[in-house]
Amino acid sequence: GQQLNQSPQSMFIQEGEDVSMNCTSSSIFNTWLWYKQDPGEGPVLLIALYKAGELTSNGRLTAQFGITRKDSFLNISASIPSDVGIYFCAGHRRGDVNRLAFGKGNQVVVIP
Amino acid sequence: DGGITQSPKYLFRKEGQNVTLSCEQNLNHDAMYWYRQDPGQGLRLIYYSQIVNDFQKGDIAEGYSVSREKKESFPLTVTSAQKNPTAFYLCASSIGRTLQETQYFGPGTRLLVL
Repeated sequence: GQQLNQSPQSMFIQEGEDVSMNCTSSSIFNTWLWYKQDPGEGPVLLIALYKAGELTSNGRLTAQFGITRKDSFLNISASIPSDVGIYFCAGHRRGDVNRLAFGKGNQVVVIP
Repeated sequence: DGGITQSPKYLFRKEGQNVTLSCEQNLNHDAMYWYRQDPGQGLRLIYYSQIVNDFQKGDIAEGYSVSREKKESFPLTVTSAQKNPTAFYLCASSIGRTLQETQYFGPGTRLLVL
C-alpha cells in the first residue's frame, strides 16, 4: 500500500507554543484524516477532511485539506502537556475502495 | 456507548501455536479491517472485509486468517506460519463503500512471542 510522507518525524516544543505538521503524497486524495495515538493505545480520530481547501477545527486543533489534493496540514495551538503523543495522517485515494494510505507519524513532546 | 472493542489487551504466543484476536464493533459499520503496527513503521493492512461473509487480503496477509460471520465481529487468527508475529494489532471499522472513507480504531492488542 502507498505510504504518505509526514514531516517532521519528531518535535520538541515548549508548553504554550503552536506546532504544525504536514502530510504529502504524489497522488490525489479525496479524504484526509488526522489521528492521535498514545502509547499502547489505538489511534483516535481528531479531524476528517473531505473537500479541497477545507479548513476544520476541533478545539485547539486545526487541519486543512490542501488545494492540490496532495497534502494536508495539522496545527496545534497553545500546546499543553497532554498533547504529547504520535500524530499521524491518513488519506483515501479515489479508486482504492475502503483502503487508506498512512503516514509514519510525528512524535510530539511538550516540555513544561 | 458505540465503539470498537479488542481483546485481549496483551496476548502471548508459544512456538507453533495459533492465537486468535477478537474485534467487535457496535457502530453498525459494514467494513472492518486488521492492521499491524511495528515501531517506526506506518500501519500495514493485513485483511479487510467490506461485508459479512466476504474478506480480502491486504498487503501482509501471509500467516494470518480471518472470518466475517457476523457484521459486528471480525476475528484475526495469527497462525504458526507467521514467523514474526510480535507486534501491536489494530482493528478498525468504517461505514464502507463511500467516497469519504473514515476509519475508527479499537484500542489494540499487543502480541508477544514466548
